Amino acid sequence: KNQVEQSPQSLIILEGKNCTLQCNYTVSPFSNLRWYKQDTGRGPVSLTIMTFSENTKSNGRYTATLDADTKQSSLHITASQLSDSASYICVVSLNTNAGKSTFGDGTTLTVKP
Amino acid sequence: NAGVTQTPKFQVLKTGQSMTLQCAQDMNHEYMSWYRQDPGMGLRLIHYSVGAGITDQGEVPNGYNVSRSTTEDFPLRLLSAAPSQTSVYFCASRPTRRGALTEAFFGQGTRLTVV
Repeated sequence: KNQVEQSPQSLIILEGKNCTLQCNYTVSPFSNLRWYKQDTGRGPVSLTIMTFSENTKSNGRYTATLDADTKQSSLHITASQLSDSASYICVVSLNTNAGKSTFGDGTTLTVKP
Repeated sequence: NAGVTQTPKFQVLKTGQSMTLQCAQDMNHEYMSWYRQDPGMGLRLIHYSVGAGITDQGEVPNGYNVSRSTTEDFPLRLLSAAPSQTSVYFCASRPTRRGALTEAFFGQGTRLTVV
């Protein structure tokens, strides 16, 4: 069964600190992995997209890594800001015509002043 | 650009009622999809469409119908609402370019409560 597991479920950090969120998947055949940020009451917004041949992708203070061999990804947030408080969702897509995607349950990040 | 627009933002239905959640995008995207998001759970795919006139079922299609008569619009119909359909519904769209990854854009969501 295709699965995407994210950890931790929730995380609280102080403003200015760094943090790393984890994503493990069993989706096959793998096409790409995306990280989304979802603010409370809003739709998800894309942060990064990576294929199996990419092992790192940055978007400002967000850096995603991918190890296609171990089927693990991480999202590193540098110098956190209060506006980083959100749910971060890992999504893995199949290498098929429809490119169906499996969503993780998300990690809820709270940044405190 | 309006992007992906969902209406309504909030809706309360009585069990057994039917309704249509609207989704429109102005980016000429071929691929559109509907998801539901329940508390503490990941988004689950209800139905999707790879272009006008083409729809297919996702992970949790029971109780929902879709149609895609135009590229812009992808309405989701609840046939006979049940309390188990209480959820937040998201519509998304993205272009499909052979051999290229494309970014998906989500609407703001429709919060549906069935009583």
